[in-house]
Amino acid sequence: RKEVEQDPGPFNVPEGATVAFNCTYSNSASQSFFWYRQDCRKEPKLLMSVYSSGNEDGRFTAQLNRASQYISLLIRDSKLSDSATYLCVVNLYSGAGSYQLTFGKGTKLSVIP
Amino acid sequence: ETGVTQTPRHLVMGMTNKKSLKCEQHLGHNAMYWYKQSAKKPLELMFVYSLEERVENNSVPSRFSPECPNSSHLFLHLHTLQPEDSALYLCASSPVVASSYEQYFGPGTRLTVT
Repeated sequence: RKEVEQDPGPFNVPEGATVAFNCTYSNSASQSFFWYRQDCRKEPKLLMSVYSSGNEDGRFTAQLNRASQYISLLIRDSKLSDSATYLCVVNLYSGAGSYQLTFGKGTKLSVIP
Repeated sequence: ETGVTQTPRHLVMGMTNKKSLKCEQHLGHNAMYWYKQSAKKPLELMFVYSLEERVENNSVPSRFSPECPNSSHLFLHLHTLQPEDSALYLCASSPVVASSYEQYFGPGTRLTVT
């Protein structure tokens, strides 16, 4: 089983649509969870951290379900500038004071005019 | 300069060459990382340095040799690479090696091995 699994997409949605991405992770000892955004031929950048209580940042809402080992990202009122690949990222303590970020392959979103 | 910078941005090398990738962070962070991003694959963590000490080596072949002379600089020395090593190599930094901290990525070096 892959450590962090995402639907690769692509998701092609019209401007203004609501789109949801899902992610599952295999290691129940994972400690921190993030969504990163990667534009074409650019580096990944943090979009938001994900907390058990759920958190919202403008049009973006992230949810974490530890029991199901499931993370989601909801984007409302999609903009053309939201077109990117969204990476689900899990942080796990790997021993000797070290943590390891594990990335999913990413879900590609294209917002169409 | 601000953030995390990487040089060169593009590199083409033959299998018998030796080259080095350089990363510099201007954020005052104590942890630095090398990642490999290949087409159709997730980012793979290669090495982690905390306060200039290597704390993680994810079974990376010895033809990749990291060096961290101080907390602001990280190098990846390349020697006798294979064509399958062609990829985007990303450097990142974070305040410390801890679970909740965001990692800041450099723009990457796109490496092609011929």
